[in-house]
Amino acid sequence: GAGVSQSPSNKVTEKGKDVELRCDPISGHTALYWYRQSLGQGLEFLIYFQGNSAPDKSGLPSDRFSAERTGGSVSTLTIQRTQQEDSAVYLCASSLSGGAPEQYFGPGTRLTVT
Amino acid sequence: AQTVTQSQPEMSVQEAETVTLSCTYDTSESDYYLFWYKQPPSRQMILVIRQEAYKQQNATENRFSVNFQKAAKSFSLKISDSQLGDAAMYFCAYRSAYAGGTSYGKLTFGQGTILTVHP
Repeated sequence: GAGVSQSPSNKVTEKGKDVELRCDPISGHTALYWYRQSLGQGLEFLIYFQGNSAPDKSGLPSDRFSAERTGGSVSTLTIQRTQQEDSAVYLCASSLSGGAPEQYFGPGTRLTVT
Repeated sequence: AQTVTQSQPEMSVQEAETVTLSCTYDTSESDYYLFWYKQPPSRQMILVIRQEAYKQQNATENRFSVNFQKAAKSFSLKISDSQLGDAAMYFCAYRSAYAGGTSYGKLTFGQGTILTVHP
């Protein structure tokens, strides 16, 4: 079946602009995760969704970052007033449930803030 | 909070040889999962192998096996008969198994090890 998909694959934006990154999880997976991968910080957890609710938002680095998930499926990560330090690869993963140990990753969105 | 450490930024191996990647972790929990993920240049993170902490038997998946030492908090990955397609960044990751805990669900990753395979 289809894996996790993310769009866009690459995004270049100017400092101060808002961006939206999209994640389509594997069909039937109720849990969804966002991670950020950057040279300086490595791989960091951002937020976890179980269904449409987010029991763990502890990794969001500032209030410029927000995420939502609708219909228990697609998720959007929004970064407002982008800064150069937001440049990174944003990875999305899904799992069958919050209790399922394996997470399956999408190909990521490379965000470059100029 | 849990931490994961990969002390080898880079490793290399000859095709058909065996290589071992190291990983140590720190946790006060007794029930958790450990993973090795592979990330080739395509960026796609691929799950290589999983180990449950309550299992004493080391996990194996074809040419990939782990050496899990719970008391030492060590979790190394052995790749046998290395192939050119094994070249990638390898990440060790930890996940709590305690439902409702503050770190439940999320993966905590090590810094990664770049593996080069020479023909």
